[in-house]
Amino acid sequence: DGGITQSPKYLFRKEGQNVTLSCEQNLNHDAMYWYRQDPGQGLRLIYYSQIVNDFQKGDIAEGYSVSREKKESFPLTVTSAQKNPTAFYLCASVKDRGNEKLFFGSGTQLSVL
Amino acid sequence: KNEVEQSPQNLTAQEGEFITINCSYSVGISALHWLQQHPGGGIVSLFMLSSGKKKHGRLIATINIQEKHSSLHITASHPRDSAVYICAVRPGYALNFGKGTSLLVTP
Repeated sequence: DGGITQSPKYLFRKEGQNVTLSCEQNLNHDAMYWYRQDPGQGLRLIYYSQIVNDFQKGDIAEGYSVSREKKESFPLTVTSAQKNPTAFYLCASVKDRGNEKLFFGSGTQLSVL
Repeated sequence: KNEVEQSPQNLTAQEGEFITINCSYSVGISALHWLQQHPGGGIVSLFMLSSGKKKHGRLIATINIQEKHSSLHITASHPRDSAVYICAVRPGYALNFGKGTSLLVTP
């Protein structure tokens, strides 16, 4: 069955460390997204990508970086510049025709040691 | 920036009650999604709407494009419906989310 796989489920970051969250989909979706969710808050857009080798900043891109070298993969790096990285991170994808169902990964909980 | 407002923020209902959750947005969109998030964080898509009304089991979603408003209805609610329900809109390529409605259905 097709879907989105996020890994790891839990991740711990030390001070000054960069960490990378994985997001892989086998749905042949064009558009992929990274969101951050804080307790009691809505999902906030970090980055999104419509096609390979192209991506756009969302509302809270500072301290994060992404790449889209392959259609099926959209990894998110949380850099040491992100001073408050503790949150739940969700990856999503959709076939980019504006009227397709959204798919979500199961999320990664990132905490700071 | 497209603002997405959901109401109510929290909702408690007794089993069997009819439930309505509302979503309003501020700019033109190509699609509106209703999503369900269970404890543990996983999100599943319930509906994608660009016009009219859709029904799936006990769930009904409607959208009024002119009024920029959508509703999600749950008929004959059940404790297993307890979850956070989230509205998301696509103004172009981005996806913008509401803050969610936390629903608790008690036996």
